[in-house]
Amino acid sequence: AQSVTQPDIHITVSEGASLELRCNYSYGATPYLFWYVQSPGQGLQLLLKYFSGDTLVQGIKGFEAEFKRSQSSFNLRKPSVHWSDAAEYFCAVALIQGAQKLVFGQGTRLTINP
Amino acid sequence: EAGVTQFPSHSVIEKGQTVTLRCDPISGHDNLYWYRRVMGKEIKFLLHFVKESKQDESGMPNNRFLAERTGGTYSTLKVQPAELEDSGVYFCASSQGSAVGYGYTFGSGTRLTVV
Repeated sequence: AQSVTQPDIHITVSEGASLELRCNYSYGATPYLFWYVQSPGQGLQLLLKYFSGDTLVQGIKGFEAEFKRSQSSFNLRKPSVHWSDAAEYFCAVALIQGAQKLVFGQGTRLTINP
Repeated sequence: EAGVTQFPSHSVIEKGQTVTLRCDPISGHDNLYWYRRVMGKEIKFLLHFVKESKQDESGMPNNRFLAERTGGTYSTLKVQPAELEDSGVYFCASSQGSAVGYGYTFGSGTRLTVV
């Protein structure tokens, strides 16, 4: 079945440490890929997206993600996390260009230790 | 500009009651979407409006759910009668274009608890 998998439900890292959140998808072709973040009391905010071209994508708040076709992955990274990065992170895909809805993974909750 | 506004932010109702959720999109956004996250699971698409017309309602779980967007402005999502499994967070989003590439703006969601 087609799916988006975020294998880590909850991750805890120390402030200043590096971060990598994993996302794998299972589709026949390369979908359009997104990462969203939801901070407490806030809506879902788009961090970055990949449609084509350079497989390393830069986003807001110092985040980046790398698309690896061979691994069907789109992992999110940040070299040094800040306490304000504590939130829930969602990977999402759209199956085709012009698609009008997103398919989300289950989310990864990030806790930051001081 | 004002963002996507949803209310109430929280609602606790008893099984069998009716609840109506409201979403005010960004002014000028013709496209409005409803998504839902049931406890601990992934966020799932419910439906998509273009102005007042339902473009895609393939994600609506059953006929206890009724979405409307009269006049193509705000939208309501009514659950009648509510069941325990309807508990979750209901998100609304809006966009100028209909394709996801235009970028959604999401509201902060309505947390519905059915007891």
